[in-house]
Amino acid sequence: EVQLVESGGGLVQPGGSLRLSCAASGFTFSNYWMHWVRQAPGKGLVWVSRITGDGSGTVYADSVKGRFTISRDNAKNTLYLQMHSLRADDTAVYYCARVELVVAATPFDSWGLGTPVTVSS
Amino acid sequence: DIQMTQSPSSLSASVGDRVTITCRASQSISTYLNWYQQKPGKAPKLLIYAASSLQSGVPSRFSGSTSGTDFTLTISSLQPEDFANYYCQQSYSIPWTFGQGTKVEI
Repeated sequence: EVQLVESGGGLVQPGGSLRLSCAASGFTFSNYWMHWVRQAPGKGLVWVSRITGDGSGTVYADSVKGRFTISRDNAKNTLYLQMHSLRADDTAVYYCARVELVVAATPFDSWGLGTPVTVSS
Repeated sequence: DIQMTQSPSSLSASVGDRVTITCRASQSISTYLNWYQQKPGKAPKLLIYAASSLQSGVPSRFSGSTSGTDFTLTISSLQPEDFANYYCQQSYSIPWTFGQGTKVEI
């Protein structure tokens, strides 16, 4: 069974940093591109970042570019999101999601339960 | 960025009703369109991928269709467990974008 379990969220002051983790199990982690998607309280889903299976390719939403860094450790089956210079509008539940590349339209076919991040003084 | 516009933003329906949700893309995205269901406090769940393909394990009352840049999610006979938020998402180009969501409630 595919499992994605996020951790590392919490309360942080504006300008602070946080590192999120996503532990994967039940599949060959290195074969899959992974994404972070966030959801502000009461709002919709917003894509944040993507990383390729070998970690060589990363892309970011404009809103987080230069502040967030996505990475992965395939030996530990873990995805990361390092967040710096956090702002109030980064407050959200952060989900990691797996992309099924061999399926048309490469959907997010598995999601974690999310970890909440609150940026407030 | 490709904008995805969902309608309606919310709807009220009863068990057994046929429900239709529409998503319009701001430009052509071929069939790079996916649909997700999200219940309160839960992670999103993939329902339909590539506009009309049913994800494994998803009930057949869910279906998707497309006409140009308009995409439709249909629930043929609404069940109690279907009351949730629904999101479309395009995977045609970066950044991946979602519709604003449709809340299906009683």
